[in-house]
Formats: sequence, structure tokens, C-alpha cells
Amino acid sequence: AQSVTQLDSQVPVFEEAPVELRCNYSSSVSVYLFWYVQYPNQGLQLLLKYLSGSTLVKGINGFEAEFNKSQTSFHLRKPSVHISDTAEYFCAVTEVDSSYKLIFGSGTRLLVRP
Amino acid sequence: ETGVTQSPTHLIKTRGQQVTLRCSSQSGHNTVSWYQQALGQGPQFIFQYYREEENGRGNFPPRFSGLQFPNYSSELNVNALELDDSALYLCASGTPLLAEGYNEQFFGPGTRLTVL
Repeated sequence: AQSVTQLDSQVPVFEEAPVELRCNYSSSVSVYLFWYVQYPNQGLQLLLKYLSGSTLVKGINGFEAEFNKSQTSFHLRKPSVHISDTAEYFCAVTEVDSSYKLIFGSGTRLLVRP
Repeated sequence: ETGVTQSPTHLIKTRGQQVTLRCSSQSGHNTVSWYQQALGQGPQFIFQYYREEENGRGNFPPRFSGLQFPNYSSELNVNALELDDSALYLCASGTPLLAEGYNEQFFGPGTRLTVL
């Protein structure tokens, strides 16, 4: 069975500082990987996805993530955060052969302080 | 192109009651999935509908059921509500399979259900 682990429940950071949100997954088959962002009282918005090819993927709002197969990780990074990046971030995985079912981590709350 | 919409925004029910949540998918999307997001947790997959039939199901009991209609709308029905059913329910409509072999899902804002 697949699972996703987001070890950090909350990450406080000052504005304009870099940030990394960690994600590790477990799966016995090939997977696609995703990061979603959820702002208060809103649904999930796709930040970026890894399907195949280059292990470094770039997404919206200046975020990027690197797929590391040997470490089964897909950490999210941003070189300089803004107050508006304060939100809940979810890492998700889906099997390549049954891509309709997303398995989510428990989320990391990014809190950007001025 | 309109996004995914859900109604109602909030709902309060009592234990044992039944509830129907509604979702309107994006035009051209042929799948709809429902997720349950308990407070402080990530969303959990309930089931997906494709061409008006259930196409896959997560670890939820049969009292969770759904319908998909030809006009891109869908429903999630929950019978015999329990206190633990209190959560944010998210609907996601999905594109047909893309060249990469997956269907991208677009989420609605959710319906927050409180069971007292």
C-alpha cells in the first residue's frame, strides 16, 4: 500500500527566507507525485507535479520540487517566501496504473512571518 | 471555463440523519472524485465516478454512496451520520486521460459538514 509522510506539521519562516517542506512516500510500484496548496476556506490547488523525465520540477508561485527515487522523497522548496505563501501544503502520490486515486500526506502548515 | 463548484458551503446535521452534498464539475471533465478531509488531516479518497458508474473506492463503508449525472453534476450521499463524519468534503473533477497517462484533478472549495 502507498503512504505519504510529511514529518513537519508546521514550518515557521520569516518573509524572504528560503523554505523546504519535506515529503517522503512509500510505494512498491511506479508513482506520480504532486504538491497541492490549500488556502483558508478554499479547495486544493495544484502547485506542481512529477510524472517522468527531469527530477527537478518547477511549479507556480516560484515553487520547485525534486524527486529522489533512492530516498523516496519529493521535497518542496522556495528560495524566498512571501506573506501570501502562508497556507497548508499537501504532498500526494498516485499509482501510475490507477492515477485516479490520490493518497495525501497529513499536510504542513507554512507560516510566513514579517 | 468555470471551475468546480460545491453546495452547500456549510451544513449541520445530527447523528443518524442523512445528507446529500452536491458538486458541479468543469465542462468536458468525465470523472468526479470525492474526498473527506478531517480537521488537521489530509484528504482521504472516498470514491470516483466515471461515466456515471463507480470506478474505484477507498476505505469507506457502503453508507457513503454517490451519483454522477450526464450534465457534469454529482452527489455524495451519506446515510446514518456519525460524529466522525464531521469533515470538509472535497469534490474533484478530472480531465480525460492526458498524454502522460493520468487525469488531472481540479478541486472545488468543499462543503464543511458538522454532525452533532
